[in-house]
Amino acid sequence: GQQVMQIPQYQHVQEGEDFTTYCNSSTTLSNIQWYKQRPGGHPVFLIQLVKSGEVKKQKRLTFQFGEAKKNSSLHITATQTTDVGTYFCAENSGGSNYKLTFGKGTLLTVNP
Amino acid sequence: ETGVTQSPTHLIKTRGQQVTLRCSSQSGHNTVSWYQQALGQGPQFIFQYYREEENGRGNFPPRFSGLQFPNYSSELNVNALELDDSALYLCASSLVDRTGELFFGEGSRLTVL
Repeated sequence: GQQVMQIPQYQHVQEGEDFTTYCNSSTTLSNIQWYKQRPGGHPVFLIQLVKSGEVKKQKRLTFQFGEAKKNSSLHITATQTTDVGTYFCAENSGGSNYKLTFGKGTLLTVNP
Repeated sequence: ETGVTQSPTHLIKTRGQQVTLRCSSQSGHNTVSWYQQALGQGPQFIFQYYREEENGRGNFPPRFSGLQFPNYSSELNVNALELDDSALYLCASSLVDRTGELFFGEGSRLTVL
């Protein structure tokens, strides 16, 4: 079945540094969603990307969907301690079937 | 706060036992999905319910079963528990006609000894 691969698995940064996590697939993705899960918490929806080459921004977060719809990235500018958590990408097969296929996630830790 | 509530939050069972986990969907949401999240992994899709019927299933054996009730609340039942069933079980609700965003509950952490 469809798999989405995420890199890196872990990333430790100093507060104020930038952070990027990448999501890759060997096949074309119908769309991609990003979720954040704080330690001990549950996944929280951040965004959904649908169009080839789409770029969306949420304050310090920038989300991109590749032109071939086989990869996506999440970039955080000037990280803060509140950014700590695991960031997951997930493909939504769409339609009425909301089966999400999640990547393994990137755990971000931020040193104050 | 997603409005999705799950119970119990934590529970411990032994191998071979059965467990029932419960989920109350966000008001107005007609679709509920269940995910299993092992430690250090991403959530894995178990199944989805829409209009009280199973509407998609992941790679999980039949001992994983579920129900959706007319008020859109849901149950996940797991029979003949195995050690590998130890995980966080997440319920997520959504509206079938919306963008696909899932609203997750806090989860039920199951430990099988």
